[in-house]
Amino acid sequence: KAGVTQTPRYLIKTRGQQVTLSCSPISGHRSVSWYQQTPGQGLQFLFEYFSETQRNKGNFPGRFSGRQFSNSRSEMNVSTLELGDSALYLCASSLWGGATDTQYFGPGTRLTVL
Amino acid sequence: GQQVMQIPQYQHVQEGEDFTTYCNSSTTLSNIQWYKQRPGGHPVFLIQLVKSGEVKKQKRLTFQFGEAKKNSSLHITATQTTDVGTYFCAGLRGGSNYKLTFGKGTLLTVNP
Repeated sequence: KAGVTQTPRYLIKTRGQQVTLSCSPISGHRSVSWYQQTPGQGLQFLFEYFSETQRNKGNFPGRFSGRQFSNSRSEMNVSTLELGDSALYLCASSLWGGATDTQYFGPGTRLTVL
Repeated sequence: GQQVMQIPQYQHVQEGEDFTTYCNSSTTLSNIQWYKQRPGGHPVFLIQLVKSGEVKKQKRLTFQFGEAKKNSSLHITATQTTDVGTYFCAGLRGGSNYKLTFGKGTLLTVNP
């Protein structure tokens, strides 16, 4: 099976712009979670989608949003970019998003905000 | 909110030495997962512990879940250069709120 894929892999934006990141889960996986990874804060949970519905949400401002399509692919959007949004954005997929499911991470999108 | 503390932040060892990283949660966990992230890579799932007091082994790696389900450890025996990377624990609190809380990780470097 192909793994989790994320596009683009690298992105450079300027403050105030918006960005959309894409994640394709492993075939058959219906849960997609998004994480932000920075050297200072580590891995922080953004949100989780299952069957096109946001099921869980972390403590990020409303500038961070996402959605999931009927084929389980997910997108994440960040509006009005700030310098502090520079990070590695990782998505992870699992079968059901259940408590004992294994999460499989994608390679990430490295976002740099100038 | 739930916090997961992980120590040490960094560990440098000589090849062949043992290594341990510890994870402590402020709340009782339903399960705990361990991941490894190689430099420049993404987190890769290693194992999940669910039961109180559970111990699992994967070759040179030993994982433990505390009796109170609030702490966990990962021990590597006789480290090798291939063990280099950051090891993360991630705790899941019970209930319907599926939200993994990651520790900040322990970066392991191994001197050959």
